Amino acid sequence: DAGVIQSPRHEVTEMGQEVTLRCKPISGHNSLFWYRQTMMRGLELLIYFNNNVPIDDSGMPEDRFSAKMPNASFSTLKIQPSEPRDSAVYFCASSLGLAATYEQYFGPGTRLTVT
Amino acid sequence: AQSVTQLDSHVSVSEGTPVLLRCNYSSSYSPSLFWYVQHPNKGLQLLLKYTSAATLVKGINGFEAEFKKSETSFHLTKPSAHMSDAAEYFCVVTTNTGFQKLVFGTGTRLLVSP
Repeated sequence: DAGVIQSPRHEVTEMGQEVTLRCKPISGHNSLFWYRQTMMRGLELLIYFNNNVPIDDSGMPEDRFSAKMPNASFSTLKIQPSEPRDSAVYFCASSLGLAATYEQYFGPGTRLTVT
Repeated sequence: AQSVTQLDSHVSVSEGTPVLLRCNYSSSYSPSLFWYVQHPNKGLQLLLKYTSAATLVKGINGFEAEFKKSETSFHLTKPSAHMSDAAEYFCVVTTNTGFQKLVFGTGTRLLVSP
């Protein structure tokens, strides 16, 4: 299996631009998670889906952030408009389910720099 | 609510010596606990997990951790460090009930010198 795939791996954009991060979960996994990692705040859960349905988006920092999962094999995290403080590494993870017994498999991350 | 405290931001060891990374947790419910490792510019990889079975948990690459309820600890150990163990390690807690929402510690950077 190819694991969780994220694209792009690096993104540099100017403040005010729209940014779209993409994630392909492991085939057969029903749950998908978006995390953000910064030096100041560490790893934070932004939102997670189960069977393509958003379950909890309480970690999404602002209305500028939105996430979708149109099908079981694809999810996007969009930031519009982007700001310098959004600069971070964004991880996508997937698992067979939401129970604690299921391991979350992380993608390699997308490093976002907003100038 | 759940939380974890990683007591050391950096730990330095020499190759071949034991590794100890400390983690204390707080949980209102019966917890599940994990250790993840992150190598530079890589995603996170699960090292081991505790989910209310045996209190001594063995993971990959020779790592193990012991769940001690009386001390609310879940320290990570390895008898002999290898250069390839240099990475960032995260202690993580979640509950055994309901949805799996991982709460990450702040991380411990392990440095291994020759």
